[in-house]
Amino acid sequence: ETGVTQTPRHLVMGMTNKKSLKCEQHLGHNAMYWYKQSAKKPLELMFVYSLEERVENNSVPSRFSPECPNSSHLFLHLHTLQPEDSALYLCASSQERLGWSEQFFGPGTRLTVL
Amino acid sequence: RKEVEQDPGPFNVPEGATVAFNCTYSNSASQSFFWYRQDCRKEPKLLMSVYSSGNEDGRFTAQLNRASQYISLLIRDSKLSDSATYLCVVNERAGGGGADGLTFGKGTHLIIQP
Repeated sequence: ETGVTQTPRHLVMGMTNKKSLKCEQHLGHNAMYWYKQSAKKPLELMFVYSLEERVENNSVPSRFSPECPNSSHLFLHLHTLQPEDSALYLCASSQERLGWSEQFFGPGTRLTVL
Repeated sequence: RKEVEQDPGPFNVPEGATVAFNCTYSNSASQSFFWYRQDCRKEPKLLMSVYSSGNEDGRFTAQLNRASQYISLLIRDSKLSDSATYLCVVNERAGGGGADGLTFGKGTHLIIQP
């Protein structure tokens, strides 16, 4: 499936590096999300964008900086990360409406911080 | 704090057997409930929504107990391909709707043995 794509799929970076994760959705959705999945922990919602406006920031450290230039693209800019930030970062999209909107996930970027 | 609790397992079940697992949620304001499935090193995918009256989809049955704040998933005639991690998910917005994001449980690991 190519509904939601993420690049890169794997990323190894040092604590002083700056990198960006990219997500693109081809489903015509109007909401996009970043989640973090660490080993032995549930998926954690990081950021929500609805109609390109950020609507939620769950106290995520400022070393993570999201950007949503349009409804199809979402970025997560990373700088001065810590080893504990190593995790699978998942992007999702949905069509926001009053009824249930299924969230479609991308394959994720597996990040390792050395 | 919003919490969704699941037994992590693993549940080792012989092929053809019936298996059931529950999930409890702490926020009584939760309005929408779902089961997602996540295969090893893959992204989560929606398995089924959970309606107040309970619902069935083939071999899968989901039920909601609001009084006790738990949802359940029953799998009948289990197949080898059912082996996966099953994630319990809740959303506080009435009727669902995507832009709030979701609260995930840690997941229950199911292994179907031949």
